[in-house]
Amino acid sequence: EADIYQTPRYLVIGTGKKITLECSQTMGHDKMYWYQQDPGMELHLIHYSYGVNSTEKGDLSSESTVSRIRTEHFPLTLESARPSHTSQYLCASSVVTGELFFGEGSRLTVL
Amino acid sequence: SQKIEQNSEALNIQEGKTATLTCNYTNYSPAYLQWYRQDPGRGPVFLLLIRENEKEKRKERLKVTFDTTLKQSLFHITASQPADSATYLCALDITYNNNDMRFGAGTRLTVKP
Repeated sequence: EADIYQTPRYLVIGTGKKITLECSQTMGHDKMYWYQQDPGMELHLIHYSYGVNSTEKGDLSSESTVSRIRTEHFPLTLESARPSHTSQYLCASSVVTGELFFGEGSRLTVL
Repeated sequence: SQKIEQNSEALNIQEGKTATLTCNYTNYSPAYLQWYRQDPGRGPVFLLLIRENEKEKRKERLKVTFDTTLKQSLFHITASQPADSATYLCALDITYNNNDMRFGAGTRLTVKP
């Protein structure tokens, strides 16, 4: 079983609030990812990291930011949430070449 | 432009039959391709990885082929069961061995009893 955890699973907040989605993995993987997925739609890569102090933007432009201070932790932050940020956010980790292990996702609703 | 296309949004088959799902890509030269299963509201779960020098990979009732000339992968589930009903995603490594994975939109498979 994958050891990658996302919190919160569900979050409903008002416009303008700052939110942080947490992602932690205990497998010691260097590479971590954030994908955004709307219901019934494909996954879009928004951020990834090759390791500590490495962060890169993905294909889909996102107003979110990420940090990677520790190998096991890859949080995603929205400084000022808007209704357009409503989506499911999926965190994943992997070895350099191999399967991605996904968390269960954080479903964000911004009112 | 670069694309990953999965043959259909939805596929309905009868229990016991073989399901065949298609993944086509353009303007990529991946070192490997992966298939995932995703259930509603959950994160994708890895099923199989096939490398560019492998024609076919099997795991229990699953079989994947990879044709780099046609730029296509086929994913087969033999003796399908209702429990196989899910969305199946293909993913490509787009930066050749760096695990920068991009996903297709998926095919929703329904296996009817």
